[in-house]
Amino acid sequence: GDSVTQTEGLVTLTEGLPVMLNCTYQSTYSPFLFWYVQHLNEAPKLLLKSFTDNKRPEHQGFHATLHKSSSSFHLQKSSAQLSDSALYYCALGNYNQGKLIFGQGTKLSIKP
Amino acid sequence: DPKIIQKPKYLVAVTGSEKILICEQYLGHNAMYWYRQSAKKPLEFMFSYSYQKLMDNQTASSRFQPQSSKKNHLDLQITALKPDDSATYFCASSRGQGAGSDYTFGSGTRLLVI
Repeated sequence: GDSVTQTEGLVTLTEGLPVMLNCTYQSTYSPFLFWYVQHLNEAPKLLLKSFTDNKRPEHQGFHATLHKSSSSFHLQKSSAQLSDSALYYCALGNYNQGKLIFGQGTKLSIKP
Repeated sequence: DPKIIQKPKYLVAVTGSEKILICEQYLGHNAMYWYRQSAKKPLEFMFSYSYQKLMDNQTASSRFQPQSSKKNHLDLQITALKPDDSATYFCASSRGQGAGSDYTFGSGTRLLVI
């Protein structure tokens, strides 16, 4: 079945260092990939999304490239900020179903 | 103003009781969803509705029953509550179903069953 894998449960970084959060997926149909960010005690919010192979959407300094050949959609940022500390979810959708399938989530903790 | 209203924000219930979680969206969206978030299973899909019709149900237990009285309402009735039901329940909506529609989430209802 369709699934999303986020291998890191917790990533701790020092402010200013680059961020990379991993996301791989398995999809029966042509996939749509999303990154959602959830700050403490808040609702998840859309960070960015991609439907097109090898395109790199960007938002708030974050970017991710959908690579269908490797079934990956890793989230990156060149320089972490303290305010980036949050829970990040990778999610998978497709034309055939409305629901999004979420990965386990990666907690990103940025230290000064 | 919040575009998706979930009530109550916090809820404490006794084991065996019944509760209804309220969700209303004012985005003009046609699809609505319920997700559950707990320490064991973050953001677990429960139900999806499109134009007030149930489209998908991934909840094994019949104790969880969605109710859609209006197009922009999708409430969640939970009967015979158990401590394992303790979680944050998020309602979400999207313009359409499928085709990569992105979600808007409500702020959640935190349920504690004692």
